[in-house]
Amino acid sequence: DTEVTQTPKHLVMGMTNKKSLKCEQHMGHRAMYWYKQKAKKPPELMFVYSYEKLSINESVPSRFSPECPNSSLLNLHLHALQPEDSALYLCASSQDIGTTNYGYTFGSGTRLTVV
Amino acid sequence: RKEVEQDPGPFNVPEGATVAFNCTYSNSASQSFFWYRQDCRKEPKLLMSVYSSGNEDGRFTAQLNRASQYISLLIRDSKLSDSATYLCVISTGNQFYFGTGTSLTVIP
Repeated sequence: DTEVTQTPKHLVMGMTNKKSLKCEQHMGHRAMYWYKQKAKKPPELMFVYSYEKLSINESVPSRFSPECPNSSLLNLHLHALQPEDSALYLCASSQDIGTTNYGYTFGSGTRLTVV
Repeated sequence: RKEVEQDPGPFNVPEGATVAFNCTYSNSASQSFFWYRQDCRKEPKLLMSVYSSGNEDGRFTAQLNRASQYISLLIRDSKLSDSATYLCVISTGNQFYFGTGTSLTVIP
């Protein structure tokens, strides 16, 4: 199993809604990441988890709340989002933050629209 | 100065052409180098890792020049299916940095 699975694939939510994005990998990777990607732009790093602990938070607004319940799962809880938060949200994993020889494996992403 | 600089293109080339992309990086301590391909509205997928000695996979050749701090991707005999955005990704060991991506369109 060499996949990173993200659900849902598409999500439309209102500005007062609470929703969660989910990410799962079973490759034994110890680092997991959330990225946000707008059209025609590269992915922007949001959060990094290493060994289930939050390692990097790139000054992301508190309306985005990450959670790593175990080494295979990564969630992103969304609350009170703005229309400008509409984007493709990508989860990725790698063997380790410090062992980067093999790059990332990305999930297929959740396309989020905030209305 | 950005960690990684990449010409966004677009590159429009005819089928069968050879096309090359470069990506420069600022941190001389960078350790690992990759080329990713991203199709429209899809996730990035690893195309090739880039090794110091250079590496080739079919029509694709990747090279690393540590002295000048850049990596390159050469695509020979371009196919229509090569049309995509090509992202360079560089790791310093504790973080990955993305280039802006280069858009390639192969024209019949």
